[in-house]
Amino acid sequence: QLQLQASGPGLMKPSETLSLTCTVSGGSLSSSSYYWGWIRQPPGKGLEWIGSLYYSGSAHYNPSLKSRVTMSVDNSKNQFSLKVTSVTAADTAVYYCARRTTSFGVVPPMNWFDRWGQGILVTVSS
Amino acid sequence: DIQMTQSPSSLSASVGDRVTITCRASQSIHNYLNWYQQKPGKAPKLLIYAASSLQSGVPSRFSGSGSGTDFTLTISSLQPEDFATYYCQQSYNMLALTFGGGTKVEIK
Repeated sequence: QLQLQASGPGLMKPSETLSLTCTVSGGSLSSSSYYWGWIRQPPGKGLEWIGSLYYSGSAHYNPSLKSRVTMSVDNSKNQFSLKVTSVTAADTAVYYCARRTTSFGVVPPMNWFDRWGQGILVTVSS
Repeated sequence: DIQMTQSPSSLSASVGDRVTITCRASQSIHNYLNWYQQKPGKAPKLLIYAASSLQSGVPSRFSGSGSGTDFTLTISSLQPEDFATYYCQQSYNMLALTFGGGTKVEIK
């Protein structure tokens, strides 16, 4: 059974760089059928897609966050990571890592998030 | 970006009720629409993908329909474990995935 586990600091100060890692177990990152993504949820609010990453390292980001976000993959450790620079209180949220299954039989490819990690609360406060 | 609007934002229903949640896209997304269920303190769970395909392991009382800009999630007979918040998500624009604002289903 595939599992995803996010890890990283729970408390940060404004202007710092947030770094989170998602460890995948029970399956391989290096599969052509999947992208890997980050989604966040501010307390009491809805879901916001941050970005998605392919095992090759190819990534795409939410246009509203693109200038501050970088995602990377380490296939040898079966991990992928998220960095968000210059955080503010608005970045306070539960951060989820997830697997995005992609069906390439149609154009554009159909895709959906079918496995999620448990989420990690990141609080930005001075 | 494609905007996703859900209605209602919340509803109260009783066990056994038929519940319908609507999601509208700001432009046609064909059938690139997914539905998720989220319970407090938990990660979202995929219910429906490609507008009407039931995810493995999800009870058959959940169903999805629609195409273009208008979509519906239906729970045919609400069960106690179904009280949660439901989100739609468009996957047509893979470079800018977006979620609806959510619909909270509460106990009447």
